[in-house]
Amino acid sequence: AQSVAQPEDQVNVAEGNPLTVKCTYSVSGNPYLFWYVQYPNRGLQFLLKYITGDNLVKGSYGFEAEFNKSQTSFHLKKPSALVSDSALYFCAVRSGWGTGANNLFFGTGTRLTVIP
Amino acid sequence: SAVISQKPSRDICQRGTSLTIQCQVDSQVTMMFWYRQQPGQSLTLIATANQGSEATYESGFVIDKFPISRPNLTFSTLTVSNMSPEDSSIYLCSVGLAGISYNEQFFGPGTRLTVL
Repeated sequence: AQSVAQPEDQVNVAEGNPLTVKCTYSVSGNPYLFWYVQYPNRGLQFLLKYITGDNLVKGSYGFEAEFNKSQTSFHLKKPSALVSDSALYFCAVRSGWGTGANNLFFGTGTRLTVIP
Repeated sequence: SAVISQKPSRDICQRGTSLTIQCQVDSQVTMMFWYRQQPGQSLTLIATANQGSEATYESGFVIDKFPISRPNLTFSTLTVSNMSPEDSSIYLCSVGLAGISYNEQFFGPGTRLTVL
């Protein structure tokens, strides 16, 4: 069975400070991991993904995420938070590749609030 | 990427009625999916919309309740039938682009449905 856990419903951080949004996963086989962001009244936007290769993945808007296989984690990070980063963040996982494994399993989301 | 639009953006419906949601993509795509995001919860895959054949439904979702059409490679509809208040959710269409990898899905803005 596949699952994703985002242990924090809400993360508050001051503008300019580093931010971390946590994600842990459980999957059989190799994990394919994703981060999406949802701004109010808008659809999900893709931020970054880990498929293979370097454990540190860089994505859109200055975000990055570190894949840690031993801890089964894929935490989202940004060195300096902006007020405009305030949104709902979803971690997702797939265990398959190609047309046969369509399921993206999503975490429950973490609401990030950046305080000016 | 792909530009995805959904109609309607939101609706308020009476119990027992049906609503059809449209998803339009600005380019031909192989994979189209329908997700549900219930209030305060994560996204759940309803089904994969297959062009030229019946949709593939995930566990817990059935064709009688959520009939799906996919007449071509740029368009799909999801109908929520015989609605009850428990169907109040955001319904999202997503696509996977051939040539990039099916792992990366792009999402429409969503349809916010409220059932009274």
